[in-house]
Amino acid sequence: SQLAEENSWALSVHEGESVTVNCSYKTSITALQWYRQKSGKGPAQLILIRSNEREKRNGRLRATLDTSSQSSSLSITATRCEDTAVYFCATLLQGGRALIFGTGTTVSVSP
Amino acid sequence: GPKVLQIPSHQIIDMGQMVTLNCDPVSNHLYFYWYKQILGQQMEFLVNFYNGKVMEKSKLFKDQFSVERPDGSYFTLKIQPTALEDSAVYFCASSPTGDEQYFGPGTRLTVL
Repeated sequence: SQLAEENSWALSVHEGESVTVNCSYKTSITALQWYRQKSGKGPAQLILIRSNEREKRNGRLRATLDTSSQSSSLSITATRCEDTAVYFCATLLQGGRALIFGTGTTVSVSP
Repeated sequence: GPKVLQIPSHQIIDMGQMVTLNCDPVSNHLYFYWYKQILGQQMEFLVNFYNGKVMEKSKLFKDQFSVERPDGSYFTLKIQPTALEDSAVYFCASSPTGDEQYFGPGTRLTVL
């Protein structure tokens, strides 16, 4: 079973709309990170939210973390076509150890 | 932002041959990682490396795999011998503190 997983395979929105990707995880974490991966590129970190934080913002991005339900969400407001990508959540284990990635949600933003 | 480089971007080799994948991490980073991603599937952790040693490895990190960072230069992943199931994109990442990881663009390995 996956230690981290996003709850939707794919989401489609029009430019300007908002979109939310959800993630659930199954282990105790020190932090959860959201990454974006565009076609043919490596993942790029968007937001790191620590286990003692409930919400984190970065421009048009907002991440939430609920450790009681072991879930997180990433919301993107005022979407643009260049937000089209696969969005992953990844859980960080202690001590500089591995990131455990979910399978990813493909977000498609159309004009 | 900080950039991790990977060389080569593509590599095609015959099964049984040796391959070395090279990663040029961000210069002041201390933690290094390799991940494997088969097309259409999730990224999976292989190994991480700190202070000249492997810290942790997954079950995907077979005996045929090895990593090193000689003299602070490239962080390398060597596979010897290669197998068909090693075909994938291999991503290197580095981190200053073990939290935020910066990924390279990946090396696409095709084993024939």
